[in-house]
Amino acid sequence: QVQVVESGGDLVEPGGSLRLSCAASGFIFSDYYISWVRQTPGGGLEWVAYISPNGDAMEVADSVQGRVAISRDNAKNLVYLYMSSLRGEDTAVYYCTRAVKMDSWGQGTLVTVSS
Amino acid sequence: EIVMTQTPLSLSVAPGQPASISCKSTESLLHDDGETYLFWYLQKPGQSPQLLIYEVSKRFSGVPDRFSGSGSETDFTLMISRVEAEDVGVYYCLQGIQLYSFGQGTKLEI
Repeated sequence: QVQVVESGGDLVEPGGSLRLSCAASGFIFSDYYISWVRQTPGGGLEWVAYISPNGDAMEVADSVQGRVAISRDNAKNLVYLYMSSLRGEDTAVYYCTRAVKMDSWGQGTLVTVSS
Repeated sequence: EIVMTQTPLSLSVAPGQPASISCKSTESLLHDDGETYLFWYLQKPGQSPQLLIYEVSKRFSGVPDRFSGSGSETDFTLMISRVEAEDVGVYYCLQGIQLYSFGQGTKLEI
């Protein structure tokens, strides 16, 4: 069955960096856009970034522009989210989802930015 | 940036009664390809969000037919014909025509 599994979340100090990973299975990975969505402690959902099936197109949200990059490895069915210059407001559970419909979500990985 | 506004933000419904959630966007979600990119999700307590409805009114696989979506352009509605205990959680609308943006969420209680 379709499955996505996030990993890489951690406690990091303000200004630090982190790489999140998303491992996918159960579908033809190279046919799909993949998005990252985060959920803050307050509960709201915020789209963060997406990458096209072959990796030649990507977009990131204004709130993380210049601090976040997304990439994928279709040979390994992996998507990465690189985050730098982390701030307290980046504290959230980060979900990987199969786009465009966002029809499959992982359990999320927690990123905590705190000193 | 397209802003999505949901009403109400919370809702208490007796089992077996209907429920309705509104979602309004600041711009039309009708794409040049003829599709309207409006989605509905339910996040049950302790779980990840799950897709209920895509492209305004298409039920995702396995979603009970008591859930239905309607609307066009900028005004959309999610309806539950007869609420069941398992429908408790937070409902979100999402636009996918200009990047993505979610509504604030509507908490449904029984």
